[in-house]
Amino acid sequence: DGGITQSPKYLFRKEGQNVTLSCEQNLNHDAMYWYRQDPGQGLRLIYYSQIVNDFQKGDIAEGYSVSREKKESFPLTVTSAQKNPTAFYLCASSFQGSSTDTQYFGPGTRLTVL
Amino acid sequence: QKEVEQNSGPLSVPEGAIASLNCTYSDRVSQSFFWYRQYSGKSPELIMSIYSNGDKEDGRFTAQLNKASQYVSLLIRDSQPSDSATYLCAVDSSTDSWGKLQFGAGTQVVVTP
Repeated sequence: DGGITQSPKYLFRKEGQNVTLSCEQNLNHDAMYWYRQDPGQGLRLIYYSQIVNDFQKGDIAEGYSVSREKKESFPLTVTSAQKNPTAFYLCASSFQGSSTDTQYFGPGTRLTVL
Repeated sequence: QKEVEQNSGPLSVPEGAIASLNCTYSDRVSQSFFWYRQYSGKSPELIMSIYSNGDKEDGRFTAQLNKASQYVSLLIRDSQPSDSATYLCAVDSSTDSWGKLQFGAGTQVVVTP
C-alpha cells in the first residue's frame, strides 16, 4: 500500500533531551512537510523540502532541525532549544510541491514532555 | 501575517440537514484552497480542493469559492453522524509557485441523530 508512515505514534521526552521523529513515504512524492498542531489551533509549518538535500524553514522552525538525504525520508529532530515541544506532529507530502498540489498527511506523532 | 479564519464552533447539525462552514482569508493572491476533515486524535484527510470561482461538487460535499470576497465555504448535504469532525480550511500562502499552506484553526461539526 502506498502512503506515509510516522513513528513512533507516541513519544515522551524529558527536559533537555533531543528526540527524532520519523517520516517515510512511498508515494514517490518530491515534496515533504512537517507541521505542528496544538489543541484548538490550526497546523503550523515547521520545515519543508521540495527536493533531496534541500529544505526550507517554515513559520516556526526555531528549536527544530531536519534532513532530507533520501527522497522517501524526512526526519524531524526536536531539540532541547524548543521551549514548548508538547504537541501533535504531522508529516505530509505532495507530488511536486507546487501551490496546486494536494498535501497528504501521515498518521502523526504525539510528543509529550515530562 | 497571512491569516485564515474559521468559526471554531461547535456547529450542531441535525442528521440529514445541511452543514455550512465558512472560511475567510487575507491574502488576495491565493490561488489554491483545500478542505480537510480531521477526526479527533487523527490526521487531516482531504475532502476537496478548489481553484476557480464558483461551486465544485463531490458527492455530498460542495465547495464554494469567491476570490473577490476572499472566502471559501463547504456545504455538507444530508449530514451523517460520521461527518462529526473538525473541518480545516487551508489556503495557499506561497509567494512563488511552491506550495505553502496556511491553515485555519478549524470548525468542529457535531451531527446529532
